[in-house]
Amino acid sequence: DTAVSQTPKYLVTQMGNDKSIKCEQNLGHDTMYWYKQDSKKFLKIMFSYNNKELIINETVPNRFSPKSPDKAHLNLHINSLELGDSAVYFCASRRGRAGEINNEQFFGPGTRLTVL
Amino acid sequence: KQEVTQIPAALSVPEGENLVLNCSFTDSAIYNLQWFRQDPGKGLTSLLLIQSSQREQTSGRLNASLDKSSGRSTLYIAASQPGDSATYLCAVLTGANNLFFGTGTRLTVIP
Repeated sequence: DTAVSQTPKYLVTQMGNDKSIKCEQNLGHDTMYWYKQDSKKFLKIMFSYNNKELIINETVPNRFSPKSPDKAHLNLHINSLELGDSAVYFCASRRGRAGEINNEQFFGPGTRLTVL
Repeated sequence: KQEVTQIPAALSVPEGENLVLNCSFTDSAIYNLQWFRQDPGKGLTSLLLIQSSQREQTSGRLNASLDKSSGRSTLYIAASQPGDSATYLCAVLTGANNLFFGTGTRLTVIP
């Protein structure tokens, strides 16, 4: 069984479009994250959600909005896509609430977004 | 601001050799350090997690050490195999639940 899954795996779209990436975890984890891996392979955290509450909102454009319909899902919606949004986006999850920090993060397979 | 650096950026070794990957971080106020493996075009696989109070963790042929005061961690891989070829990433967890990733070391094990 896949622990953290993302759809789609690849996403190619035009500038200006709105798109969503879905993430689901079947681990019963409390906290979920979105990361962006740029062309230089550097991973940077974008958001985290704990029990439907946004904990971290790094300095990402407000065109990016995380949406969590329930504890097992954290979707990433992107408005007005730009060329610079091209990257690989990873979803992750971990057990425990914000204060329970010493738990591993488990990552999804990634979504490669290409904006033309 | 926390910065995580990994040296070397790339490493090629013949099969069977033991090797060490290095990770350094600028702010020693971390909660834990995690080593990941990333295969080309794939996601991240967690290898080892060392809590700030621990000095090392072992899993099979992997051994990770942590010297928090000096801001360093090493990942030791014994008897390397071609299947170990991947990019290895270290990441430190700081306050506010932030996981800072290093730049990665791309390992190639030559059969």
